[in-house]
Amino acid sequence: DTEVTQTPKHLVMGMTNKKSLKCEQHMGHRAMYWYKQKAKKPPELMFVYSYEKLSINESVPSRFSPECPNSSLLNLHLHALQPEDSALYLCASSRDPGGVSYEQYFGPGTRLTVT
Amino acid sequence: SQKIEQNSEALNIQEGKTATLTCNYTNYSPAYLQWYRQDPGRGPVFLLLIRENEKEKRKERLKVTFDTTLKQSLFHITASQPADSATYLCASSGTTDSWGKFQFGAGTQVVVTP
Repeated sequence: DTEVTQTPKHLVMGMTNKKSLKCEQHMGHRAMYWYKQKAKKPPELMFVYSYEKLSINESVPSRFSPECPNSSLLNLHLHALQPEDSALYLCASSRDPGGVSYEQYFGPGTRLTVT
Repeated sequence: SQKIEQNSEALNIQEGKTATLTCNYTNYSPAYLQWYRQDPGRGPVFLLLIRENEKEKRKERLKVTFDTTLKQSLFHITASQPADSATYLCASSGTTDSWGKFQFGAGTQVVVTP
C-alpha cells in the first residue's frame, strides 16, 4: 500500500471556526510532512515530523497547529484562519526521517476555503 | 539565499517528440534532486531521484541528469504522449555539508498535443 490518504477532500470554514485536517499512511514511513500550495505555485513546506516528533516548523503562524498522534497519523488543527490561508493542503510521508534521500509520497490534498 | 528555479513558461510539444525541462540551483549544493509530476488539484507524484555523484538516471521514457558544474538538472520525456501533459516539479534535498530543507522549484507545465 503506497497510499497517503487525506480527509476531508474539501473544507469551507469561517474565520472563527476550529477544524482539523487528517492524514494517514500505512507504509511504515517515519517522516511526515504538511505543505501548503496556492494556485500556480509549488508546495511550500510547513511542518516536518520525524519519529512522531516535530523537527521542522517553517515559521508557520500559530493558528496552524500540527499533531502526530502515532506513526501513521498526522493532523493539522486550524483555528482563527484568514482568507489568505485558503489553499490546497498536502500531506506527505517518506522512509527517511531526515527527508533527504528518499522520495516523498503525497496525499491528494484538502482544498481549504476560508470565508 | 538558496534558490531552485525552473522555466516558468509552459512547454508546448508535439506528440512523439522529446520534452526537455531544466532545473537550476544557486548558492548551495544539493545532495539529491528529485522530479515530481503534478496534475491539477492533485498531490505531486514522485518520478525520479538522482544523487550528486550520479550523472544520469532513467526510468522507462524518462531520463534525468545532474550536472554539478553547471548546477543544473535536465529532465527528458522521450516519445511524449498527451497523457504526459502535467506540471513537472524539481525538488532539492540535503546539501553536501548539512541536512538542508526539501525545496521545490516553481514547476514547468508541459502540454503535449496530438
